[in-house]
Amino acid sequence: QLQLQESGSRLVRPSQTLSLTCTFSGDSISGSHYSWSWIRQPPGKGLEWLGNIHFSGTADYNPSLTSRVTISVDTSKNQFSLSLSSVTAGDTATYFCARGGEAAYSIWGQGTMVTVTS
Amino acid sequence: DIVVTQSPDSLAVSLGERATITCKSSQSLLYSSNKRDYLAWYQQKPGQAPKLLIYWASTREFGVPDRFGGAGTGTEFTLTISSLQAEDVAVYYCQQYYSTPYSFGQGTKLEIK
Repeated sequence: QLQLQESGSRLVRPSQTLSLTCTFSGDSISGSHYSWSWIRQPPGKGLEWLGNIHFSGTADYNPSLTSRVTISVDTSKNQFSLSLSSVTAGDTATYFCARGGEAAYSIWGQGTMVTVTS
Repeated sequence: DIVVTQSPDSLAVSLGERATITCKSSQSLLYSSNKRDYLAWYQQKPGQAPKLLIYWASTREFGVPDRFGGAGTGTEFTLTISSLQAEDVAVYYCQQYYSTPYSFGQGTKLEIK
């Protein structure tokens, strides 16, 4: 069964860096047909695509966050990670990881709520 | 960047009746080389991750009931639930994955009338 699971800090202080990891199980993350993405959802609001990465390490980011976001992949651990710097209260959200491809986002993690608070 | 706009923002439909949600894109989502539209529909229930219903504008994901149907091409698309069931109460999102940054519609909240 193919699964994604997010992990990481759930409380982050303003101006600090948010760090999350997504672990893929059931297959290798090195499949060339897929991209690995982070998507977030502020409480009560819609979905925002943050960026994605391919197993080769090529990443693409939302221009609204480019200066603050980094996505990396560790194929040896079957994981990919999100780093979001200089966080503010506006970055409080549920963060989802997902697998993308020709069939859009067919696999999602359950999501992890991250709160930015002092 | 491609802007995706859904309508309506909320919708109340009687059980057994048809529900239709519209999604419009600021640019064509039709990829000329394979004649596919890179538009997906998702269903999200409270406390859950979005669930893929439709990809390539009209291809139903495995396991999705056939009362869910997607149509449209280019810049205008629809999601239709042919006979609303109680378990279909949710928020529905369309998403373009034609070009990055991929973008979602604002969501349509579907309720029972």
